[in-house]
Amino acid sequence: DGGITQSPKYLFRKEGQNVTLSCEQNLNHDAMYWYRQDPGQGLRLIYYSQIVNDFQKGDIAEGYSVSREKKESFPLTVTSAQKNPTAFYLCASRRAETYNEQFFGPGTRLTVL
Amino acid sequence: AQSVTQPDIHITVSEGASLELRCNYSYGATPYLFWYVQSPGQGLQLLLKYFSGDTLVQGIKGFEAEFKRSQSSFNLRKPSVHWSDAAEYFCAVGARRGETSGSRLTFGEGTQLTVNP
Repeated sequence: DGGITQSPKYLFRKEGQNVTLSCEQNLNHDAMYWYRQDPGQGLRLIYYSQIVNDFQKGDIAEGYSVSREKKESFPLTVTSAQKNPTAFYLCASRRAETYNEQFFGPGTRLTVL
Repeated sequence: AQSVTQPDIHITVSEGASLELRCNYSYGATPYLFWYVQSPGQGLQLLLKYFSGDTLVQGIKGFEAEFKRSQSSFNLRKPSVHWSDAAEYFCAVGARRGETSGSRLTFGEGTQLTVNP
């Protein structure tokens, strides 16, 4: 079955540690996105990538980094510079020719202790 | 810049009652508009979308939405709500392709729907 996978579902880290969240898609989509979701704030865009080896900052990129070495993979690293990293993180993807319609993965809940 | 407002943070309806969730957008031209639904701890699922043409669009699970340009609105409706519709609903706006922000969606803050038996 085609889809977007995010692993792990739940992630716990100690304060000051970097952590990488995985996002893989087998939909052959060109563009991929990372969002952060906090209660009452909707979804906020962290980074997005429209093609391999290229990505752009979203609205809240500070303290995060990404890479796009393969079309199907778009990992997100939450660095120790992110002041409040505990949140629900959602990955999405889109075919280039579709009208912005994005498909979402199941999400990863990150808790920093 | 594009923006979306969902005025209702939380709505409670009885099962079988009709539902309308409000969405207002700000955009310089005709936007692309979407409604997504999210169950607790899950990703988002697309309910319906508007690109052009007929302003009343049908989606999955019996939902529909109407695009009203004069009111900058894209309200979501369902004639009879089921208990399984309890979830959070997000309205989103996207720019037209070819525009600088054409690849991005901007989401509203969401409306939490509770369904009473």
